[in-house]
Amino acid sequence: GQQLNQSPQSMFIQEGEDVSMNCTSSSIFNTWLWYKQDPGEGPVLLIALYKAGELTSNGRLTAQFGITRKDSFLNISASIPSDVGIYFCAGQVLPGYSSASKIIFGSGTRLSIRP
Amino acid sequence: GAVVSQHPSWVICKSGTSVKIECRSLDFQATTMFWYRQFPKQSLMLMATSNEGSKATYEQGVEKDKFLINHASLTLSTLTVTSAHPEDSSFYICSARDWKDRFSYEQYFGPGTRLTVT
Repeated sequence: GQQLNQSPQSMFIQEGEDVSMNCTSSSIFNTWLWYKQDPGEGPVLLIALYKAGELTSNGRLTAQFGITRKDSFLNISASIPSDVGIYFCAGQVLPGYSSASKIIFGSGTRLSIRP
Repeated sequence: GAVVSQHPSWVICKSGTSVKIECRSLDFQATTMFWYRQFPKQSLMLMATSNEGSKATYEQGVEKDKFLINHASLTLSTLTVTSAHPEDSSFYICSARDWKDRFSYEQYFGPGTRLTVT
């Protein structure tokens, strides 16, 4: 089946530092999504990318859809304590009213901030 | 808008019993809902796709007779874990697609249900 390789698995950073994480796949995706999950809660969508090469920002977050459609990265600038959590990339094969539109999640990046 | 709720938020049951988890779309109609399972420190794994009025589509390796899914209305899908065992202990998360946005990527996630089987 389709798999997403996400790295790094975990990060310890200082408050104020920039953060970068990425996701690669052996398969092509039509849509790349980035989610954040806090402990004991469901994931929350941060950024959605629809086109190869697309670069999208949401406040301090920036994400790009790779040209090959097989990768994406997420950057967080000037990290703050509330950025702590688990970040998941996710890919969707084809939006549409079919099972093929299911979302496949990456393995996650756990972000912690050193006090 | 686009709120998905789950009930209960956590449940403890004894081994061998069955437990039902509800997923509701509160302010939209969802023709498709998805059920995920997440073990500690792991990713969300899709278990099944639930379509209103029809049988659920299960992912490879997920036992359909053990994880019964019913999507009887446009706002409610239920997941019943039958004859639960300790290895079924996990965080179960549902998501729903708004029927008006059925050609888009958007899925709205519920807050999850923590199941512990003793």
